[in-house]
Amino acid sequence: GQNIDQPTEMTATEGAIVQINCTYQTSGFNGLFWYQQHAGEAPTFLSYNVLDGLEEKGRFSSFLSRSKGYSYLLLKELQMKDSASYLCAVRDSNYQLIWGAGTKLIIKP
Amino acid sequence: IAGITQAPTSQILAAGRRMTLRCTQDMRHNAMYWYRQDLGLGLRLIHYSNTAGTTGKGEVPDGYSVSRANTDDFPLTLASAVPSQTSVYFCASSDRLAGDNEQFFGPGTRLTVL
Repeated sequence: GQNIDQPTEMTATEGAIVQINCTYQTSGFNGLFWYQQHAGEAPTFLSYNVLDGLEEKGRFSSFLSRSKGYSYLLLKELQMKDSASYLCAVRDSNYQLIWGAGTKLIIKP
Repeated sequence: IAGITQAPTSQILAAGRRMTLRCTQDMRHNAMYWYRQDLGLGLRLIHYSNTAGTTGKGEVPDGYSVSRANTDDFPLTLASAVPSQTSVYFCASSDRLAGDNEQFFGPGTRLTVL
């Protein structure tokens, strides 16, 4: 079966750094996505990795290791507005996205 | 530019009733998708369409039907609603020719079936 695992909830302090992990087992791999979803809103795209390594976008970075079936999202200089759920999704051999349940990130002052 | 719109925003529906959720995009994307999102679960694909005139079944298609008569519209129909279809429904679209094929989401429809 296909499976995406990520922690249910994490807590971090404003100004700090947090790493959200995602492990996956899917039928085929055609890229990994991270989305942000604020409560009551739609998911919005954060990052895309298809090759191994680190992709950096401002305060957010995403890492991929295809051999380990592993990715992480790194958020630096945390702000209160970063409180949201972070969704990991893998595009499988059918080019459909398989989604994790999401990690709820709570930022404390 | 609206992106993707969905209607209604929310709806309370009696079990057994028929309901159509509407989705319209103005980005000329070839692919469109319907997901449901339930607490503690990831987004689950109901149906998708890779191009106008074609549709396909996702992970949880039972009880739902779709049509794609043109590029912009992708309505989702519940023929006879049941309480287990209570969920938040998101429509999304993407350009399958784009390298990352990023999906853009509508604001969602919160559906309660009593």
